[in-house]
Amino acid sequence: GQQLNQSPQSMFIQEGEDVSMNCTSSSIFNTWLWYKQEPGEGPVLLIALYKAGELTSNGRLTAQFGITRKDSFLNISASIPSDVGIYFCAGQRNDYKLSFGAGTTVTVRA
Amino acid sequence: EPEVTQTPSHQVTQMGQEVILRCVPISNHLYFYWYRQILGQKVEFLVSFYNNEISEKSEIFDDQFSVERPDGSNFTLKIRSTKLEDSAMYFCASSPSTGGYSPLHFGNGTRLTVT
Repeated sequence: GQQLNQSPQSMFIQEGEDVSMNCTSSSIFNTWLWYKQEPGEGPVLLIALYKAGELTSNGRLTAQFGITRKDSFLNISASIPSDVGIYFCAGQRNDYKLSFGAGTTVTVRA
Repeated sequence: EPEVTQTPSHQVTQMGQEVILRCVPISNHLYFYWYRQILGQKVEFLVSFYNNEISEKSEIFDDQFSVERPDGSNFTLKIRSTKLEDSAMYFCASSPSTGGYSPLHFGNGTRLTVT
């Protein structure tokens, strides 16, 4: 699969802080997706992005599809304890197969 | 909201044994997938399935693996002779179509432990 570089690998944040993570790739994707995975569960879709430059929000989450179609970022504003988990970016091309980033582990300090 | 359901949630098997992991995709979805996640690593594509046949498979999906849609609702992954390195979380996913506007929805996974 295509290589996606996701950073940071992990972060410890204070409750109330804003969080930012991003994914980059050497290849172009038609769709960028952000998933969250909690222990013992499967990835849950947070945000899907379909057009270069698109900025989409879902509650306190905001994600953008980079203009070059090779990158995306996810922001979490005013983090709360239930934001803990592993966040994965995923890119999808016309062959519909998802390529996942390695994940960003978020731990929130109360 | 419709969900992808997987059973069992945890399967323990001995090396060399056959295992079948079961999934019920979302009912109006047409495309089905299996992904694998080795502990602490990223989610990896195994196989996609459409119209009763494999659409694409990764290099991980060797002759020991097979998939089947035995009826109108179930989608199964069979590992013929399990190896220690097959220990992982296996996720089933489905989507209504391919490409844009059809993100994959994942089940909660089956944790396979091969001893």
